[in-house]
Amino acid sequence: DQQVKQNSPSLSVQEGRISILNCDYTNSMFDYFLWYKKYPAEGPTFLISISSIKDKNEDGRFTVFLNKSAKHLSLHIVPSQPGDSAVYFCAASASNYQLIWGAGTKLIIKP
Amino acid sequence: KAGVTQTPRYLIKTRGQQVTLSCSPISGHRSVSWYQQTPGQGLQFLFEYFSETQRNKGNFPGRFSGRQFSNSRSEMNVSTLELGDSALYLCASSLSRGTGELFFGEGSRLTVL
Repeated sequence: DQQVKQNSPSLSVQEGRISILNCDYTNSMFDYFLWYKKYPAEGPTFLISISSIKDKNEDGRFTVFLNKSAKHLSLHIVPSQPGDSAVYFCAASASNYQLIWGAGTKLIIKP
Repeated sequence: KAGVTQTPRYLIKTRGQQVTLSCSPISGHRSVSWYQQTPGQGLQFLFEYFSETQRNKGNFPGRFSGRQFSNSRSEMNVSTLELGDSALYLCASSLSRGTGELFFGEGSRLTVL
């Protein structure tokens, strides 16, 4: 039972344009959501997070939107840069602190 | 400040053998979590340790076990290895539980032949 789903295995975006990565969840008890970025041969690194009491959180070029009624969150990267090419993981947690992870979306930024 | 250190980085084992992986968290971090990553499967949670106690456990068979020492260093062990155990095993540390932001090591790549 996949509680956190990233339905797009990969996404290709032109440099300078907006990248939108999507994530859906099924467990209404999740109250904290995070995005991580992973380069090959490295561990994931934290990118941005959002609490369920908010619907938007922004950090530089990265913005995460949360739609609780749709159980959907998205990560927007504007403008996309070549260094953004990586695998992006969405993760969610409830009160037991255990993070549940999506399968990841590979983002490819084309020059 | 040194990051999360995992050893060994790469190892090859044969079916039926056992393996022990080590993780040294960032200094001062007391929570250590372990994940298994296989292609197309994302990160599968193995277990979480805090103050030498296992606080959470994922849906893995009993062949997978772990422990945490008083200095917060952690080890995980897989016994009776199977081909399907081939994966990247990632360790992550955080200051305390529930902070959300995990700091990952580079992982231990296990190949089972």
